Amino acid sequence: GAVVSQHPSRVICKSGTSVKIECRSLDFQATTMFWYRQFPKQSLMLMATSNEGSKATYEQGVEKDKFLINHASLTLSTLTVTSAHPEDSSFYICSAWTGQGNQPQHFGDGTRLSIL
Amino acid sequence: AQTVTQSQPEMSVQEAETVTLSCTYDTSESDYYLFWYKQPPSRQMILVIRQEAYKQQNATENRFSVNFQKAAKSFSLKISDSQLGDAAMYFCAYRSSLDYKLSFGAGTTVTVRA
Repeated sequence: GAVVSQHPSRVICKSGTSVKIECRSLDFQATTMFWYRQFPKQSLMLMATSNEGSKATYEQGVEKDKFLINHASLTLSTLTVTSAHPEDSSFYICSAWTGQGNQPQHFGDGTRLSIL
Repeated sequence: AQTVTQSQPEMSVQEAETVTLSCTYDTSESDYYLFWYKQPPSRQMILVIRQEAYKQQNATENRFSVNFQKAAKSFSLKISDSQLGDAAMYFCAYRSSLDYKLSFGAGTTVTVRA
């Protein structure tokens, strides 16, 4: 149980393109989903937290107009990187949480984004 | 955000031997959760083990066990009978009972020698 599907796993696109990444909890309802960014050999950096039906909460320094997050249902959150540029190239990982205190976050497999 | 410190950037262990990864954290709270996640080269984040602070008994999951020292704010991970598949980056993480965010350490890369 507790499977989180993230799609696509790899994206290569031209500068100026917008890219959408999906995060789905397959066998549980996620009241909260998280989006992280990870640079090579570094830790995960939280970008934003989304709760179903409400606006996402962004961490300091993360541009909300650049990284649009939608959490339309209890099983789906999307991250759209708008007008992507080479500096947006990174590994993006989502996680989903049931909202129960003793439950861990369950992670997707991540998306490797490369902007040419 | 709470500070989580993993002081060992890299650790190497011989296959079948034991390795211990250190993790310390800073908090003024009494109720919280601690986790160890494994990230192999595939970069998938896999939950290895978790510990609730109110439980005194150390958590174990097969070959993985923790040494939770609440007073010392220490949460080390022991991998016994190391296998080649254990090679990965390991992250220690803290979550307050009052918050839903995870605070991650910088990670420890574990290499297993055949």
